[in-house]
Amino acid sequence: EVQLLESGGGLVQPGGSLRLSCVASGFTFSSYALSWVRQAPGKGPEWVSGISGTGGNTHYADSVKGRFTISRDNSKNTLYLQMDSLRVEDTALYYCAKDRLAARPYFMDVWGNGTTVTVSS
Amino acid sequence: DIVMAQSPDSLVVSLGERATINCKSSQSLFYDSYNKKYLAWYQQKPGQPPKLLISWASTRESGVPDRFSGSGSGTNFTLTISSLQAEDVAIYYCQQYHSPPLTFGGGTKVEIK
Repeated sequence: EVQLLESGGGLVQPGGSLRLSCVASGFTFSSYALSWVRQAPGKGPEWVSGISGTGGNTHYADSVKGRFTISRDNSKNTLYLQMDSLRVEDTALYYCAKDRLAARPYFMDVWGNGTTVTVSS
Repeated sequence: DIVMAQSPDSLVVSLGERATINCKSSQSLFYDSYNKKYLAWYQQKPGQPPKLLISWASTRESGVPDRFSGSGSGTNFTLTISSLQAEDVAIYYCQQYHSPPLTFGGGTKVEIK
């Protein structure tokens, strides 16, 4: 069974940092792109960042560019999101999602259950 | 960035009736080279992550009932539920993947009359 398990969320002050992790199982990890998608309470999904299967190609939403860094360790079947200079508006449930293809983010066919990030003083 | 606009925001339909959701993109999602339309549809129920229903504008995922269908071209797309069932109550989102950053529509909430 394909599974994605996120961790690392929590409460952080504005300007602080967090590192999210997503451990995958049930598929050939390096063969697929992966994305982080967030959803603020009562809002629709917002794609945050994506990375190719090899890790050599990354993309970001304008709202997080320069503050967030996506990476992956294919030897550990793990996806990461380093979040720096956090803002109140970054508060959301953060999902890890597997893509159907490898080269870049396209559409997401498997999602984790998410980890909650709250940015507040 | 490509902007996705969905309509209506909400839809109330009787059981067994048709539900139609529209999605409009700010630029064409059609790639001539591959003859494909880079649009997906998701269903999200309360407390759950989004679930992929349709990719390439009209290709249903395995296990998705055939009452769900997608159509459209260029910048205008439609998700149709041909005969609404109680389990279809959810919010539906379109998403473009023509060009990163990927972007979602604002969602359409479907309820039973």
